[in-house]
Amino acid sequence: GAVVSQHPSWVICKSGTSVKIECRSLDFQATTMFWYRQFPKQSLMLMATSNEGSKATYEQGVEKDKFLINHASLTLSTLTVTSAHPEDSSFYICSARDLTSGNTGELFFGEGSRLTVL
Amino acid sequence: AQTVTQSQPEMSVQEAETVTLSCTYDTSESNYYLFWYKQPPSRQMILVIRQEAYKQQNATENRFSVNFQKAAKSFSLKISDSQLGDTAMYFCAFYRGTSGSRLTFGEGTQLTVNP
Repeated sequence: GAVVSQHPSWVICKSGTSVKIECRSLDFQATTMFWYRQFPKQSLMLMATSNEGSKATYEQGVEKDKFLINHASLTLSTLTVTSAHPEDSSFYICSARDLTSGNTGELFFGEGSRLTVL
Repeated sequence: AQTVTQSQPEMSVQEAETVTLSCTYDTSESNYYLFWYKQPPSRQMILVIRQEAYKQQNATENRFSVNFQKAAKSFSLKISDSQLGDTAMYFCAFYRGTSGSRLTFGEGTQLTVNP
């Protein structure tokens, strides 16, 4: 299957700093990528839909100025958590579809990134 | 809007036995896709099985099979001959079938396989 790579897998930062998480589709082009946030023992919460070459579509309640999403190429989307605070500590997961094999809806997921803000 | 409900937050099963995880959904769409994903302790999301709504035959992948009841909007996952490596959080998910649409996930079921 298609491979999505996400980096870093874990990051610790000081409150007030910014952190960038990268999501790459390694063997396919992803016109759309999805960013999720997951709290312990809970489901995945969709934060935003990232579209190549255009602005991301954010879910209600997600601060677009805090969670900056850039999808500059067909294989790379980035999530930047700006001015991070301890409440932003969470597990962030990206995903993408490989439409070359048909629109089956299957999402391929990155390994996730554990963010801890001190 | 579509909703997906998993009514079993936790389940456990003995190794080599069979377990069934429940999932119901609500939609007005006639064609759609349903998925079961597993998330082991590594937190990597892995596709377990996929079902296309227009196919009446239940999907099967080795020890994993589904019972898809379209009229009842039910999509349960059966795991046969459970193995320790099956221990994971299992998520049921719905896809409307329109390119660019999101996956809607259920709340998840934590499955523990006991030796």
